[in-house]
Amino acid sequence: GQQVMQIPQYQHVQEGEDFTTYCNSSTTLSNIQWYKQRPGGHPVFLIQLVKSGEVKKQKRLTFQFGEAKKNSSLHITATQTTDVGTYFCAGTGGGNKLTFGTGTQLKVEL
Amino acid sequence: NAGVTQTPKFRILKIGQSMTLQCTQDMNHNYMYWYRQDPGMGLKLIYYSVGAGITDKGEVPNGYNVSRSTTEDFPLRLELAAPSQTSVYFCASRKWEQGANQPQHFGDGTRLSIL
Repeated sequence: GQQVMQIPQYQHVQEGEDFTTYCNSSTTLSNIQWYKQRPGGHPVFLIQLVKSGEVKKQKRLTFQFGEAKKNSSLHITATQTTDVGTYFCAGTGGGNKLTFGTGTQLKVEL
Repeated sequence: NAGVTQTPKFRILKIGQSMTLQCTQDMNHNYMYWYRQDPGMGLKLIYYSVGAGITDKGEVPNGYNVSRSTTEDFPLRLELAAPSQTSVYFCASRKWEQGANQPQHFGDGTRLSIL
């Protein structure tokens, strides 16, 4: 079945440093979504990418979808303590189900 | 709008007991999902439904059952609880739109311990 891996599993940064998480699928995706889960909370949708090579920005967050539609990345510029949480990518091959990645847990220290 | 509501928020069960996790949404979404999340891990799909009367297995359905008699409700039943079912359970829903995969809206989760 479809597998979605993320690296790194954990990342500790100093406030103000940049952060990147990478997402890789074993199969070609029709689209990819990104979610953020705060500690003790539930996943919250951030964004969806559909087109090959697509790049979208939300303030300090930049999302990319690979040309082959098998990988994606999330980059945060100048992290803040409010960025703490686990970031998940989730992809679909065109069906009704999302396959969630393994997640990257981000900790931001002052 | 309350969104997706899950009850209970916490529960402790003894091995072999049964229980139903409730999930209801007031957004008139066709699609509903049940996931489990083990500590430090991602979400694994247990069951999903594309509309009332229609359910299908996800990645980890063994030990669980679901039903979808209405658009709003999608309960998850655990029969003969086992320690391996200790987890956080999330219910999610999304609307259907042709040609697009809409975002999923999650409930706050049910934290279940089997002892």
